[in-house]
Amino acid sequence: EIVLTQSPDFQSVTPKEKVTITCRASQSIGSSLHWYQQKPDQSPKLLIKYASQSISGVPSRFSGSGSGTDFTLTINSLEAEDAATYYCHQSSSLFTFGPGTKVDIK
Amino acid sequence: QITLKESGPTLVKPTQTLTLTCTFSGFSLSTSGVGVGWIRQPPGKALEWLALIYWDDDKRYSPSLKSRLTITKDTSKNQVVLTMTNMDPVDTATYYCAHFHWGAGDYWGQGTLVTVSS
Repeated sequence: EIVLTQSPDFQSVTPKEKVTITCRASQSIGSSLHWYQQKPDQSPKLLIKYASQSISGVPSRFSGSGSGTDFTLTINSLEAEDAATYYCHQSSSLFTFGPGTKVDIK
Repeated sequence: QITLKESGPTLVKPTQTLTLTCTFSGFSLSTSGVGVGWIRQPPGKALEWLALIYWDDDKRYSPSLKSRLTITKDTSKNQVVLTMTNMDPVDTATYYCAHFHWGAGDYWGQGTLVTVSS
């Protein structure tokens, strides 16, 4: 079973700051890595698919990179509405979700 | 417009079997690359993938829960059903169904909270 780890667990950020969240897989998953945003009491929302592919309707400040075992979600110029928990998810071998990274606004 | 909605009991007793139904619209589960999956989230905790059924009826399960899960689809009714046996209080969670296109979960239901308690 492929295990995903995320860092940091929690990040408190001021508006307009850049946020970087990393996701590491226990074995190579190619580019089969997706990122979701979940706000309190809401369903997860797909932000980035296949490591770096953008999703229609998602603000351009969200971007993804990486391949193999190491991946990054970047939020450029954070906005207050970006306060949420962010999860990575691999679909290379069965499915696994990461433990999440909570982003709070200072 | 793709929508999914979960339905089922809100309260089950320990040892009982949970049956959840995902009713969807806006897509066909016969289309290549499409799957419907179930994911749960205990209160205040992370997402946990449970099961997935593909357009070709291929079924995949979480290894840790495989012995307790069954996923089926009724293409004519646009429904996917998940059964989980031998429910325990630790299975208390919000259960989501989602549309997956070549592995990415692009549409999610609103979720349904299932509490396991005697």
